[in-house]
Amino acid sequence: EAAVTQSPRNKVAVTGGKVTLSCNQTNNHNNMYWYRQDTGHGLRLIHYSYGAGSTEKGDIPDGYKASRPSQENFSLILELATPSQTSVYFCASGDRAANSDYTFGSGTRLLVI
Amino acid sequence: GQQVQQSPASLVLQEGENAELQCNFSTSLNSMQWFYQRPGGSLVSLFYNPSGTKHSGRLTSTTVIKERRSSLHISSSQTTDSGTYLCALGLPGTGSNRLTFGKGTKFSLIP
Repeated sequence: EAAVTQSPRNKVAVTGGKVTLSCNQTNNHNNMYWYRQDTGHGLRLIHYSYGAGSTEKGDIPDGYKASRPSQENFSLILELATPSQTSVYFCASGDRAANSDYTFGSGTRLLVI
Repeated sequence: GQQVQQSPASLVLQEGENAELQCNFSTSLNSMQWFYQRPGGSLVSLFYNPSGTKHSGRLTSTTVIKERRSSLHISSSQTTDSGTYLCALGLPGTGSNRLTFGKGTKFSLIP
């Protein structure tokens, strides 16, 4: 069954440390996305990708980097984590041709202390 | 200003009642989707509905582009319908199919 898998499910990081969130999809979708979800803000787009080797800035990219080494994998990197980055992060994949085909992962709950 | 506004922010009904959730948008759109999210859970796509009316079981989605609104109707609501409902716009010119989300409607049922 096609899916989007995120790891880890939960993460506690220290301020100033490096954090990498991973996402793997078996949907064979070209596009992948990283969103964060916070109370009062809904879901906001951080970075996205059109395919292997591509990364694009979303609406709130500051403090985050992304990496798309392959069609299946898309990582979100916090080089210097801050408490304001405490949030729930969702990865999603989407088909470039079909707007309707959008699949989310289960989320990663990140706490930066 | 916010491009996507959902109302109400929260809704509490008794089991068996019908619910109407609204999504208003301030810009032209390429696509409109409704998602369901259980507390602490992932998002599940309910409808892809850029225009017109679509049905799925007890759920009905209606999008009226000229009026810049979309609605989600839940008939004979059940406790399993509890959760957050999110609408999301795909904006024109974004071949990335990136979505802009509303803040959601938190829906709770009283048995």
